[in-house]
Amino acid sequence: QQQVKQSPQSLIVQKGGIPIINCAYENTAFDYFPWYQQFPGKGPALLIAIRPDVSEKKEGRFTISFNKSAKQFSLHIMDSQPGDSATYFCAGYTGGSYIPTFGRGTSLIVHP
Amino acid sequence: DTAVSQTPKYLVTQMGNDKSIKCEQNLGHDTMYWYKQDSKKFLKIMFSYNNKELIINETVPNRFSPKSPDKAHLNLHINSLELGDSAVYFCASSQGAGTKGANVLTFGAGSRLTVL
Repeated sequence: QQQVKQSPQSLIVQKGGIPIINCAYENTAFDYFPWYQQFPGKGPALLIAIRPDVSEKKEGRFTISFNKSAKQFSLHIMDSQPGDSATYFCAGYTGGSYIPTFGRGTSLIVHP
Repeated sequence: DTAVSQTPKYLVTQMGNDKSIKCEQNLGHDTMYWYKQDSKKFLKIMFSYNNKELIINETVPNRFSPKSPDKAHLNLHINSLELGDSAVYFCASSQGAGTKGANVLTFGAGSRLTVL
């Protein structure tokens, strides 16, 4: 059972565009939602994360929007750059759990 | 100074062989993990150890055996390799449960295993 559904699977934008990656979750016990960024040949690395008591979190050009009632959250990348080209994973954690439930990933390509 | 280091980075071997991947973390974390990433990039948890004790053992063939000699090391041994074992294997670590950093995984760079 996939508990975090991520879309789209792939995304291509031009430099300066605003790619948006969406995730929907089923488990209402999730209380922490990180996004990981993975460059080719590297391991995933934590990019930004949010808890469900806030509706938005910004860190630089990256913003998470969170809709608790809809059980959805999304990553927006403002003024995207070719260096943002990577695979992005959303995830959800239940309180006290060691193990995140990952989405299936979105491959983002930003053309110069 | 690499936080989570895995060796080897690349491994090419024949079906039926036995191989090991080593992982070390210098972050002082209590919990370590092995993930498998397939060709479609899906990240699947395989094992998790907390202070050298196995706490998560997902549905993984028993040809895969993790070993944690101490809390800074988690090695993965694979017996009788099969074609379907070809993937990238990631080691990761985090702080222990109940701590602020428990939900933050630090991944290694991955070990690409190719079984011919």
